[in-house]
Amino acid sequence: GENVEQHPSTLSVQEGDSAVIKCTYSDSASNYFPWYKQELGKRPQLIIDIRSNVGEKKDQRIAVTLNKTAKHFSLHITETQPEDSAVYFCAASMRGSNYKLTFGKGTLLTVNP
Amino acid sequence: NAGVTQTPKFQVLKTGQSMTLQCAQDMNHEYMSWYRQDPGMGLRLIHYSVGAGITDQGEVPNGYNVSRSTTEDFPLRLLSAAPSQTSVYFCASSYSRDAHTDTQYFGPGTRLTVL
Repeated sequence: GENVEQHPSTLSVQEGDSAVIKCTYSDSASNYFPWYKQELGKRPQLIIDIRSNVGEKKDQRIAVTLNKTAKHFSLHITETQPEDSAVYFCAASMRGSNYKLTFGKGTLLTVNP
Repeated sequence: NAGVTQTPKFQVLKTGQSMTLQCAQDMNHEYMSWYRQDPGMGLRLIHYSVGAGITDQGEVPNGYNVSRSTTEDFPLRLLSAAPSQTSVYFCASSYSRDAHTDTQYFGPGTRLTVL
């Protein structure tokens, strides 16, 4: 089955700096890669996703890049703010099979004011 | 539109007890899934369903049963609770043919402790 590795497990940045979280996956059939943000005690919420027919997708301060050849994808957050502090999860599945996402173990991002 | 709802929010069980975690969605989603979240482990898939009457096992199905008699509801049953089942359980739903979207939405979670 699919295996998703996520790094780093913790990341601390100063407000205004950029943050990058990286994930690798094992199953070349995977073609849907969402990122979730989870605040303490809350449910995971989708912040951005990318499908394998594109290499990069942006949404304001958030961007995701995908390298299908190397089987890795990354989340980039620019101009970080304290409210970006949370646990971020990457995940992978086949398109149309997102009912069985395989998740990375998460990255705790702390943005220091 | 309540989205995905779960009950109860918190539950404490003794080893060997059984219980059902409830999950419901009002978005007319075809797909529903159950995940468990343990510290440092991310979310792991327990069972999933692609429609009423259809269920299948995920990565960690042992000790859990599911059924899907309606599109809206997807209960998770713990047959004989064990301390290893202490976790936070999330239900999720996705895919509406009408909305042409496959974003997976999560419920608020149930925090289960087994003593």
